[in-house]
Amino acid sequence: QKEVEQDPGPLSVPEGAIVSLNCTYSNSAFQYFMWYRQYSRKGPELLMYTYSSGNKEDGRFTAQVDKSSKYISLFIRDSQPSDSATYLCAAVHGSSNTGKLIFGQGTTLQVKP
Amino acid sequence: GAGVSQSPRYKVAKRGQDVALRCDPISGHVSLFWYQQALGQGPEFLTYFQNEAQLDKSGLPSDRFFAERPEGSVSTLKIQRTQQEDSAVYLCASSLAQVEQFFGPGTRLTVL
Repeated sequence: QKEVEQDPGPLSVPEGAIVSLNCTYSNSAFQYFMWYRQYSRKGPELLMYTYSSGNKEDGRFTAQVDKSSKYISLFIRDSQPSDSATYLCAAVHGSSNTGKLIFGQGTTLQVKP
Repeated sequence: GAGVSQSPRYKVAKRGQDVALRCDPISGHVSLFWYQQALGQGPEFLTYFQNEAQLDKSGLPSDRFFAERPEGSVSTLKIQRTQQEDSAVYLCASSLAQVEQFFGPGTRLTVL
């Protein structure tokens, strides 16, 4: 079993929809949780990260972590065709002295005009 | 300033050949990471440098993989005697504070 699990999709939504992307994790030692966006043939781009539990909002994006259920979510409001990409969740051990990221498989999102 | 750059962007190798992949991190970033991303998968950690010191190489899949960062800036990932299972995108990331890692575009390696 992978430490971070993510449904690969694909997920297809109409423009303007609210998108919910989710991951689960198994290691209680994870303290930092990230969301990356990856366009085809590009490197991952950091969208946002949170420390421990709680919510964080940045424009149309909201990240949510529930440590009690080991659940990570990313919500995208008013989705745009330019949001079409693969979304990767990742986690870091709180005691890590390297900061190595443990990624999920990635969810492919298509926003149709 | 400029982001993380990697070269070459694409590399085709015959099985058994040695390859060298280069990473130029963001200037001033002391932390440098290499990840391997297979098709349809998330990146997987290979190795980590803090300046010139390789502090974690636990993700290197075999002794055919070797990474160096001799002057604490540019890094090279070398794969000896390439195998078909080495075909993947190799991503480099750099960071000031470890948590926020900035990725390069990757090198897509195809082993025939």
